Amino acid sequence: AQSVTQLDSQVPVFEEAPVELRCNYSSSVSVYLFWYVQYPNQGLQLLLKYLSGSTLVESINGFEAEFNKSQTSFHLRKPSVHISDTAEYFCAAGVTGGGNKLTFGTGTQLKVEL
Amino acid sequence: EPEVTQTPSHQVTQMGQEVILRCVPISNHLYFYWYRQILGQKVEFLVSFYNNEISEKSEIFDDQFSVERPDGSNFTLKIRSTKLEDSAMYFCASSELARGYTFGSGTRLTVV
Repeated sequence: AQSVTQLDSQVPVFEEAPVELRCNYSSSVSVYLFWYVQYPNQGLQLLLKYLSGSTLVESINGFEAEFNKSQTSFHLRKPSVHISDTAEYFCAAGVTGGGNKLTFGTGTQLKVEL
Repeated sequence: EPEVTQTPSHQVTQMGQEVILRCVPISNHLYFYWYRQILGQKVEFLVSFYNNEISEKSEIFDDQFSVERPDGSNFTLKIRSTKLEDSAMYFCASSELARGYTFGSGTRLTVV
């Protein structure tokens, strides 16, 4: 069964500093990956996704993630964070041909401080 | 941009009562899902629905749960006899293809 690991439950960072939120997945078969962001008392918003093709994917608000098959990772990065990036970030994975369900990681709370 | 709409945003119910959580998926989407998130925990898959039937369900989705698409626009999750441990945020999602999801903003269910 697919599993997704987010090793960091909390990541504190100062504004304008770079950040990396780590995500590793378990499946060795064809996989597709997502990052979702959840602001307090709100739903899940899609940040970016990897389905196929280019291994580097970007969002409109400066986040990027790189699919690394050899390391089974899909880490999320941003070169300079803003206070408004404070939120919970979830990595999720699905397996091609494995049904449509997504398996989520436990989430990483990003706290941006002044 | 099309949205998945969930109602109500918050529901409080007494233990043992039946609840129905409602969702309006995006109109041209074919796949529908329910997920839940117990407070402080990760998001867990409950069930997927395609072509008017359940295509996959998790071990969480026991006989207390059921889903229905009563008309061309709504997708509901029913919990027959709620337990305290059913308290969670329930997310509906829909997709056009198997791999593109849009989530709703969730219904927070509190069982007292």
